[in-house]
Amino acid sequence: AQKITQTQPGMFVQEKEAVTLDCTYDTSDQSYGLFWYKQPSSGEMIFLIYQGSYDEQNATEGRYSLNFQKARKSANLVISASQLGDSAMYFCAMREPWGTGANNLFFGTGTRLTVIP
Amino acid sequence: DGGITQSPKYLFRKEGQNVTLSCEQNLNHDAMYWYRQDPGQGLRLIYYSQIVNDFQKGDIAEGYSVSREKKESFPLTVTSAQKNPTAFYLCASSRQGLTDTQYFGPGTRLTVL
Repeated sequence: AQKITQTQPGMFVQEKEAVTLDCTYDTSDQSYGLFWYKQPSSGEMIFLIYQGSYDEQNATEGRYSLNFQKARKSANLVISASQLGDSAMYFCAMREPWGTGANNLFFGTGTRLTVIP
Repeated sequence: DGGITQSPKYLFRKEGQNVTLSCEQNLNHDAMYWYRQDPGQGLRLIYYSQIVNDFQKGDIAEGYSVSREKKESFPLTVTSAQKNPTAFYLCASSRQGLTDTQYFGPGTRLTVL
């Protein structure tokens, strides 16, 4: 079963505008972690932001924030003040607790973001 | 600098040959992982290791093998039994906790000729 769903294959945003990348997840566990990674054309996966399932406040890291809606099982990434360097693939991932046999990250299929000058 | 290195960056292999991809980390992380990425896809887990001399299969382990003789190193061998090995391979490491982030190396692109 698909655990992470990213429904936007591609998104465009004007430079300096904000953009939201969607991510929904599926789990029956109460304890889990949600991650966003950026993959530029070079291929390396760059960690952006983390949200724990018990965290009451939305995570923020500089221009990145995570809009966490637990009841809806969504963890959308918001990028404010987009820059040309933000053009990349963005992946949402979920990690479940140790001991379930799923001691790894489940990745979505990604969203390609293009920032327009 | 602390980080994860993978070598080589590009690798070409003839059908029927085994090939080993290198992954080294100096972050003092206990856990290491190998992922495979195909075009237009997310990452899929091949193998992971939580501690030296121990490793577990991930979702797509068939045709691959690993070893973890040292904390810093987690090489991946793509064997001739892997039917479709052409892909981008990413190595990652992390500490052991649930909240601990996985950090990735730059990847190796393997092409079977």
